[in-house]
This record gives sequence, C-alpha cells and structure tokens, in this order.
Amino acid sequence: AQSVTQLDSQVPVFEEAPVELRCNYSSSVSVYLFWYVQYPNQGLQLLLKYLSGSTLVKGINGFEAEFNKSQTSFHLRKPSVHISDTAEYFCAVSANYGGSQGNLIFGKGTKLSVKP
Amino acid sequence: GAGVSQTPSNKVTEKGKYVELRCDPISGHTALYWYRQSLGQGPEFLIYFQGTGAADDSGLPNDRFFAVRPEGSVSTLKIQRTERGDSAVYLCASSLTRELNTEAFFGQGTRLTVV
Repeated sequence: AQSVTQLDSQVPVFEEAPVELRCNYSSSVSVYLFWYVQYPNQGLQLLLKYLSGSTLVKGINGFEAEFNKSQTSFHLRKPSVHISDTAEYFCAVSANYGGSQGNLIFGKGTKLSVKP
Repeated sequence: GAGVSQTPSNKVTEKGKYVELRCDPISGHTALYWYRQSLGQGPEFLIYFQGTGAADDSGLPNDRFFAVRPEGSVSTLKIQRTERGDSAVYLCASSLTRELNTEAFFGQGTRLTVV
C-alpha cells in the first residue's frame, strides 16, 4: 500500500519569495509521483510528474520538484511566487504496475497563500 | 466539451434519499475514475472503469455506493440511503489509457450535501 504525507497544511509567503511545499511518501513498490494544483472553484490540474529518469522534474508555471528516493520525498519548489499561485497543492503517488499507472493516492493538501 | 464535465455542480439532499451524480469524460478516454474529497482531506479513490467495466471498485466505502458506465463513456455514481457522512465533493477524472505518459484530467466536481 502507498501513503502520502504533506507536512504543512498551510504555507503563507510574500510575493516574489521562494517556496517549498513538502511531500513524503511510503510504498512497498515502485511508484510514480505527481503534484496537482487546485485553484478556487476549479478542478485539479496536473503541475508535474515523475515517472523515471532525471530526478529533477520541471512543470508548468515555473514549478519544479525533486525526487529523492533515499528520503522518500518529492518536494515542490518555485524560486519566486506570484499572487496567482495562491491555491491548494496536492502531492499524489500511484503504484507502478509494470508500466501502467495505478490509482492516485493523494496527500491532504497544502494551501499556499501568497501575500503582496 | 473540451474537458471532463460533472453534473450537477451542487446537490443538497435529505438523509436517506437516493442520489445520482453524472460524469461526462473527455471524448475517447477509455479510463474513468471517481474520487471523493471530504473537507480538509485530499481526494480518495472510489472506483476505476476501463471501458464499460469496473476494473477496480476497492475504494467504494460500502454497498450503498454503486457506479455504472454502460456505454463506455458517461458514468453515473449512485448513492442509496444517503447519510450525513456522505457529504463531500465527488470528483471524476478521465484519461486516454492507463499507460505511462497519459494524464488524468479532473472535472470540477459535484458538491454533495446531505442534511
């Protein structure tokens, strides 16, 4: 079974500051890792994903994440945030079933609040 | 439409009533998922369809919950004898296949409130 822990439920930051949203996972099998963003009154949108290869993954809107297998982490980072990045961010894992994706297991989410 | 469409967007029902929630996936997507997001929680997997068949229903909480996808496109999530604990946002997602490099696209959800 897989599980995801997002260590911070809320992260307030000032505009143009860097941000890191933390995600740790546990799994007995190989996994794929995802970050989704949910803007107010909108559906979940994929930010980025790690399937294999380079451990540094770049996504949309200037976000990136680094897969660290030894620390079972997949932290999300952005060097300079904008007001428009205010949203809730979800880390998710799915099991690697020999090249197919399993169902997504989500963390509880981190609410990023960017202040002017 | 271009995205996953869920109707209704909001549903208020009385305890004990029956409800149906509809999901229109992106055209051509064979994989369809239902998730439930309770307040303050991340989405939780309910059921996965590959075509018309429910390939994995391990996330359905009990036998009051049932879902169908009779023609391999539109899906309906059905909840019998609703309870207050069923109140949540029900999310639908679809993807082209289950293979790597295919993305699951989510609808905006149906907010169900049981009073």
